[in-house]
Amino acid sequence: EPEVTQTPSHQVTQMGQEVILRCVPISNHLYFYWYRQILGQKVEFLVSFYNNEISEKSEIFDDQFSVERPDGSNFTLKIRSTKLEDSAMYFCASSREGVGNQPQHFGDGTRLSIL
Amino acid sequence: AQSVTQLGSHVSVSEGALVLLRCNYSSSVPPYLFWYVQYPNQGLQLLLKYTTGATLVKGINGFEAEFKKSETSFHLTKPSAHMSDAAEYFCAVRTNFGNEKLTFGTGTRLTIIP
Repeated sequence: EPEVTQTPSHQVTQMGQEVILRCVPISNHLYFYWYRQILGQKVEFLVSFYNNEISEKSEIFDDQFSVERPDGSNFTLKIRSTKLEDSAMYFCASSREGVGNQPQHFGDGTRLSIL
Repeated sequence: AQSVTQLGSHVSVSEGALVLLRCNYSSSVPPYLFWYVQYPNQGLQLLLKYTTGATLVKGINGFEAEFKKSETSFHLTKPSAHMSDAAEYFCAVRTNFGNEKLTFGTGTRLTIIP
């Protein structure tokens, strides 16, 4: 069964540095998402992306964050000037369509640790 | 706006006993409801979903959930717990009115007692 894959599985970065988290969505999916889960807290929506542009973003997704689909397969989340509070598990998801009844399929996540 | 409440952050059941994980939602429009399971160090795996039609939906691993509009609930059940069911379970809601995001509950950690 097709899967969403994320790399790396664990990223350790010094505060203030930039990180790029990578995702390969399921190949025939058109909608892409990033979520994060701070340790012990619920999964929170960050951003959705369709047709090479952001379609929705949360209050968390400020100017520090950006997303890109640099080629036909990858979907990336860039965090500039990382802060301690950015430490979390980041999940990428994709869905075939953007309508509400289409399930989102999640990757295994990237654990980001900011030192 | 939409929200999800999961009652009980930790639930323990004996192996072979009924599993009941509670989820209540709030949505101003008809919702689509999902249960996801997260095993340690893994991502979120879809267990089942309710969109329209039959209110009792069956998912993987013997789980099922019933959509009750009058109670705004979508509780997850399994008749007989297995050790492999130990995981964290998340209820999530989504609508189809210009709102693509999934809104998750805080999760319920299920422990199975041998």
